[in-house]
Amino acid sequence: QVRLVQSGAEVMQPGASVRVSCVTSGYTFTDYYIHWVRRAPGQGLEYMGIFLPHNTYAKYVPKFQGRVTMGADSSVSTAYMDLRGLTSDDTAVYFCVREKRGGYFDHWGQGSLVTVST
Amino acid sequence: QTVVTQEPSLTVSPGGTVTLTCASSTGSVTSDFHPNWFQQKPGQPPISLIYDGSNKHSWTPARFSGSLLGGKAALTLSSVQPDDEADYYCLVSSGNYWVFGGGTKVTVL
Repeated sequence: QVRLVQSGAEVMQPGASVRVSCVTSGYTFTDYYIHWVRRAPGQGLEYMGIFLPHNTYAKYVPKFQGRVTMGADSSVSTAYMDLRGLTSDDTAVYFCVREKRGGYFDHWGQGSLVTVST
Repeated sequence: QTVVTQEPSLTVSPGGTVTLTCASSTGSVTSDFHPNWFQQKPGQPPISLIYDGSNKHSWTPARFSGSLLGGKAALTLSSVQPDDEADYYCLVSSGNYWVFGGGTKVTVL
């Protein structure tokens, strides 16, 4: 069955960088896009950007441009999201979700809590 | 920048029906926006319910339905059960980016 399994919780210092991984299985990795979404405490879901494994194209919403990199190691069907220059505002649960081209979102990762604190 | 608006909260009685809507600041939401709807409960990842406005996933309960209504995307919950109490989010394509609505907290009371 389709699975997206994310890396574990992280506690980071302000100014640091974090990588969240999304290990996928049960489908052909390059047939689907991977999106990254986060939910900060007390807030709603926030869209961050998209990564296309078949051609390694990535697009980020302006708020995160310059601070985020989305990529993948297709040999192990794993996507990742790097976020740099962390502040307390980046404390959130981060999710990966796959999309079949055309707006068909279906399976989500379980979420990865990133806490930014001194 | 596109803003997507949902009702912040709605309350429905068990067995009742409630409709959530999703509006875009750029104009009418059409099938070209590829509206998706998700349910999220505390401490859990979102669950995909509807894609392309009205299509259900194989796991979507029959009491959930999506539509395009009066220039908005809509999610209707029928025969509401206590387990339907959750946050619901729409997601639409703005052309350049995908954008979430602010979410609707549905209370079953």
